[in-house]
Order: sequence, then structure tokens, then C-alpha cells
Amino acid sequence: QVQLVQSGAEVRKPGASVKVSCKASGYIFTNNYYLHWVRQAPGQGLEWLGWINPNTGATLYAQKFQDRVTTTSDTSISTVYMEISSLRPDDTAVYFCVRPLHMGELTRSLGHWGQGTLVTVSS
Amino acid sequence: QTVLTQPPSVSAAPGQKVTISCSGNKSNIGTQYVCWYRQFPEKAPQLLLYDNDLRPSGIPDRFSGSKSRPSATATLDITGLQPGDEAHYYCAAWDSSLRAVVFGGGTWLTVL
Repeated sequence: QVQLVQSGAEVRKPGASVKVSCKASGYIFTNNYYLHWVRQAPGQGLEWLGWINPNTGATLYAQKFQDRVTTTSDTSISTVYMEISSLRPDDTAVYFCVRPLHMGELTRSLGHWGQGTLVTVSS
Repeated sequence: QTVLTQPPSVSAAPGQKVTISCSGNKSNIGTQYVCWYRQFPEKAPQLLLYDNDLRPSGIPDRFSGSKSRPSATATLDITGLQPGDEAHYYCAAWDSSLRAVVFGGGTWLTVL
């Protein structure tokens, strides 16, 4: 079955960067499956950061994150990475990697979720 | 500030039906597919419905969805409510103007 296993919790100071990993299994990583990043601040709703096509490296980010978020992939180990720079306290959130249900699909059914990675930004 | 508007909370008795609404505009719900997620506390969200009204494998038919294009409103219906349905429910859609996936603020369902 599809599994997305994310790296562990991180604590950073304001202004620093953090890189979260998401290792995929249970499907052919280099097939046309996009991977998304969604975050959730404590007690708040869901917020979409962007997607990456792990095979081509193509990315799309929400405008809010275009200057600070970078997603990359390493097809040799079926892993995608999401790095946020210039961290602020309001970046404190659980970050999820997510895969749509169907090959080639962009955004219509974010059906497979990682377990989430808590990133805490505090001085 | 969320792009899609949901009621903060709804409630109903066990066995009853509840409807959760999600309002947007022509850039999202009015022209794009809607999906719904359920999230239990401290857990990752789970896809309940996609393409407005399709259920992924394993989701019971107690969950159903619909959409009104003219009003750019989607609804999630849950019938035969069970105590285990208490959770947050989120709607989402692609927004063609923002070029982003947008979510509703979430609705907490209480099963009285």
C-alpha cells in the first residue's frame, strides 16, 4: 500500500531554515504522481504550500511561499524534500506530504497523507 | 483568512443527518472539483470525497457530496451519524485565479 513516511520533529530559531523529508513506498515513484506539501498551525486549519513532480522536478508554489519554500526530489531513494528558509514563529506547524489518488492527477484528490512533521520555530 | 467558507461547527444526534456547507466563488468551487477531508484530533486528514461526489475505496456511502455551480457552494452530507464521526471536516478545491489549492476553515462536527 502507498506509504509516505516523513522525517522527525524539528526545532529552529527564527531566521533559520529547515528541511523536511518524505519517503514514498508502495508505488512506482517515477510514475507521474505529484507530491504536495500542506501545513497546519496549532489549532488552525489546513494550508497548501505547493507541489512537485518528483520525476521532472517541476514545481508550483502558493504565492505566499514562493520566496521561501523549495521542494526537491531524489528519485534514487524515492524521497522528496521541502525546505523553508527565513523561518518565523508563525511557521510553527505540522507539515504533511500528500499524494493524489491517481497517476497524472494534480489536485483533485489528495488521498495519501504522510504522518506529519512538527516544525517549531522559537527563540 | 481562508478562501472557502465553512460553518465553524455543526451538531446532530446519533442516527440523524447533518449537512456541512462550503462556499467559494467562480474561481474555485464554481468551476473546479471539490473534495472533502475528515481529520480526527492529532491525526492526518483523510480524504472522504473527491470530484464533488466520489468516494475513495473504504469510505461508506453515509458520506455524500454535491455542488451548486451557480452559487459556488458545495455540501457534504453525513447520514446515520455515529459518535465516531466527531471530527473536523474540511472542503478544498483548486483556485484557478490564485493557482493554489484552497481549503475551508474547517467545521467541527459534534454528535450529541
